[in-house]
Amino acid sequence: GQNIDQPTEMTATEGAIVQINCTYQTSGFNGLFWYQQHAGEAPTFLSYNVLDGLEEKGRFSSFLSRSKGYSYLLLKELQMKDSASYLCAVRGEIKAAGNKLTFGGGTRVLVKP
Amino acid sequence: DSGVTQTPKHLITATGQRVTLRCSPRSGDLSVYWYQQSLDQGLQFLIQYYNGEERAKGNILERFSAQQFPDLHSELNLSSLELGDSALYFCASSLRAGVGYEQYFGPGTRLTVT
Repeated sequence: GQNIDQPTEMTATEGAIVQINCTYQTSGFNGLFWYQQHAGEAPTFLSYNVLDGLEEKGRFSSFLSRSKGYSYLLLKELQMKDSASYLCAVRGEIKAAGNKLTFGGGTRVLVKP
Repeated sequence: DSGVTQTPKHLITATGQRVTLRCSPRSGDLSVYWYQQSLDQGLQFLIQYYNGEERAKGNILERFSAQQFPDLHSELNLSSLELGDSALYFCASSLRAGVGYEQYFGPGTRLTVT
């Protein structure tokens, strides 16, 4: 089966840094995605990790350790517009070349002034 | 704007009814995915199509069915609706079906079953 855990909610101050952790247990592993979702809107792609290490993209970075089944998303220089839910998603075992993603419950980040 | 379009934006219907949700993928994308997002379940993968063929199946109920047409748009049919089917239904598309292709999500259809 697939199990993805992330904290439900986090609060941080504008200008600060927040780290959102994600742990997963899946049958097979073929990549981990992070999406941002504002309330009532579509998820938007932030990052993709398939190999161990850090991927940096502007204010956002994502880290992966496959041996530990662990990833984090780092948000730097927080802005009020970063208040949103952040979804960790894993592509597990490949079956018939499908691209099924299993999502965690999401972490709601609230940025305060 | 991701380039994925979904209609309608909102749908209110009664229990026992049947509805059809429509999705047009981004230009050039061959793969379409359907997800259900409810408050207590998070984002749940339902089904994936690639170039008209079913590629992967998730927790899709037997009352639900989908298809992808030759012009690559997709429809999700929900029948014998129950109160618990009330949710946001997202369609996503990607260039190909395989590893690493990011999925672009449409704005969603909010279904309310009364």
